[in-house]
Amino acid sequence: EADIYQTPRYLVIGTGKKITLECSQTMGHDKMYWYQQDPGMELHLIHYSYGVNSTEKGDLSSESTVSRIRTEHFPLTLESARPSHTSQYLCASRNTDTQYFGPGTRLTVL
Amino acid sequence: GNSVTQMEGPVTLSEEAFLTINCTYTATGYPSLFWYVQYPGEGLQLLLKATKADDKGSNKGFEATYRKETTSFHLEKGSVQVSDSAVYFCALSGAYGNFNKFYFGSGTKLNVKP
Repeated sequence: EADIYQTPRYLVIGTGKKITLECSQTMGHDKMYWYQQDPGMELHLIHYSYGVNSTEKGDLSSESTVSRIRTEHFPLTLESARPSHTSQYLCASRNTDTQYFGPGTRLTVL
Repeated sequence: GNSVTQMEGPVTLSEEAFLTINCTYTATGYPSLFWYVQYPGEGLQLLLKATKADDKGSNKGFEATYRKETTSFHLEKGSVQVSDSAVYFCALSGAYGNFNKFYFGSGTKLNVKP
């Protein structure tokens, strides 16, 4: 059983607000990932980190930013939310070969 | 490049029917292969994995065999239940070019009717 947590689980906010989606894991994994999942179910990698102070952009262009100050914590921030940011956001961490996912945050921007 | 292709859904079956969800991959090197399951409103959960050719991964009655000669990793279950209704993702990792990246298929939705 993987120990990876995301908060909030659901968030409804207005356009222009700044938000931070939290992701934490207690497994000591160096590698962590953020995915955006569209309604058609496909997963898109938007950010990843291979360790503290290491962050990279993924395959899908995103207006979000991430930070990795502690191994266990990998928050994602949107400076100014827009309706196009409405989506499911999934955080994951990885050991030697397996990725473990958090429960996700369902974001709706009105 | 590296990629995963899985059959489009939705797949609709009656309870106790046999399930096959096809997955093929393109990769250089010797990747590990995975099946993940996603229930409504949740994240992805690891269902099973295989790390080398001819390995069989199995869990909860599901199984898949790593076939290098056909570059496939088809998911099977002998008798599905209503509780198996979910979206299933095939994935690979550990391929040459980007060892740490996971490549996911587009997902197959399974609906099981009582």
